[in-house]
Amino acid sequence: GAGVSQSPRYKVAKRGQDVALRCDPISGHVSLFWYQQALGQGPEFLTYFQNEAQLDKSGLPSDRFFAERPEGSVSTLKIQRTQQEDSAVYLCASSKRVGQTHYSNQPQHFGDGTRLSIL
Amino acid sequence: DQQVKQNSPSLSVQEGRISILNCDYTNSMFDYFLWYKKYPAEGPTFLISISSIKDKNEDGRFTVFLNKSAKHLSLHIVPSQPGDSAVYFCAASPGNSGNTPLVFGKGTRLSVIA
Repeated sequence: GAGVSQSPRYKVAKRGQDVALRCDPISGHVSLFWYQQALGQGPEFLTYFQNEAQLDKSGLPSDRFFAERPEGSVSTLKIQRTQQEDSAVYLCASSKRVGQTHYSNQPQHFGDGTRLSIL
Repeated sequence: DQQVKQNSPSLSVQEGRISILNCDYTNSMFDYFLWYKKYPAEGPTFLISISSIKDKNEDGRFTVFLNKSAKHLSLHIVPSQPGDSAVYFCAASPGNSGNTPLVFGKGTRLSVIA
């Protein structure tokens, strides 16, 4: 498809279980971002990849959260020993290579997200 | 400490009139500002952006204005259409948003009444 694809769309897990969320970015996009969106809030940054390199993981809330993008395309966000506060929509976004001029801002393009519910 | 604020949770506008959505920010290092539109159960869709070196950017019915001294930006939609009813997020980044995380506001729900 032409857009960012995320799976599953919905995930229900029991507290303490591990979950894995998948993101398939737009073909050719070098940058990939993960965000967490709680109910009634705006998305909040979790982590950023450029190709296969994880350049920023400052937004990951705890060491239970882990993300990878081993071949520079598909990415997986893994949450271990899930807690109720992990319930949220997890959004993935991708963008093109950044240009050289100040006018060449590249927007991030978002998938439809995975809604995670922890019981 | 919210760096990007959208102080109006909701806005109702008549079809055909102008919709004005506002956004304030506190971080003077922000370099790019973007507006996203979100329908229920879908991801945010990019609408329009503006660089900090400009004060206006226009794309069809959508215009974004930036007032750097006031740390304020606004999105104007003219004329408003029922299909514009959605949640609008203001976002900012301290560098090119292609390789810099976005900081989002909480969103404003726009309802366009036919």
